[in-house]
Amino acid sequence: GENVEQHPSTLSVQEGDSAVIKCTYSDSASNYFPWYKQELGKRPQLIIDIRSNVGEKKDQRIAVTLNKTAKHFSLHITETQPEDSAVYFCAAEGRRALTFGSGTRLQVQP
Amino acid sequence: SQTIHQWPATLVQPVGSPLSLECTVEGTSNPNLYWYRQAAGRGLQLLFYSVGIGQISSEVPQNLSASRPQDRQFILSSKKLLLSDSGFYLCAWSVRATNEKLFFGSGTQLSVL
Repeated sequence: GENVEQHPSTLSVQEGDSAVIKCTYSDSASNYFPWYKQELGKRPQLIIDIRSNVGEKKDQRIAVTLNKTAKHFSLHITETQPEDSAVYFCAAEGRRALTFGSGTRLQVQP
Repeated sequence: SQTIHQWPATLVQPVGSPLSLECTVEGTSNPNLYWYRQAAGRGLQLLFYSVGIGQISSEVPQNLSASRPQDRQFILSSKKLLLSDSGFYLCAWSVRATNEKLFFGSGTQLSVL
């Protein structure tokens, strides 16, 4: 089945700096890669996704890049703000359900 | 618009007691339904998924079970809880015939003591 690895597990940045989270996946048949943001005690919420026919997608301060050959994808957050502090999960489409990475705890220091 | 309801929000249960968590989806028909568990500070582990009434697939052997008595209702159960069953349980749905975008319920924080 699909295996997704995510790095780093924790990330601390200064407000205004950029943050990058990276994921690799194992199943070359996967074609859909979403990112979820989870605030403490809340449900994960989809923030951006990308399909395999696209190399990059942007939505305001967040962007996702995909390298299907290397089987890795990344989340980029620019001009970070304290409200960006949360746990971020990458995921890859599996045969039956999304397979999630282990999460990255992002802390944006004011 | 579609909404997903999950209850209860928190639950404290003694070891060996039964469990029943319920999830319902509104505003869509024939959804795929899922149960995930999140241990403290950890990732999301898929427990069960269902593509239709009475159709349940288990991903991880455990003392939990799931049922789908109606199209938009998904229930997670246990006859006897273990300490290791503690965690944050999340129900989710996706559009039928796709396992792409997942929409999560608000979650149940289960503490087994």
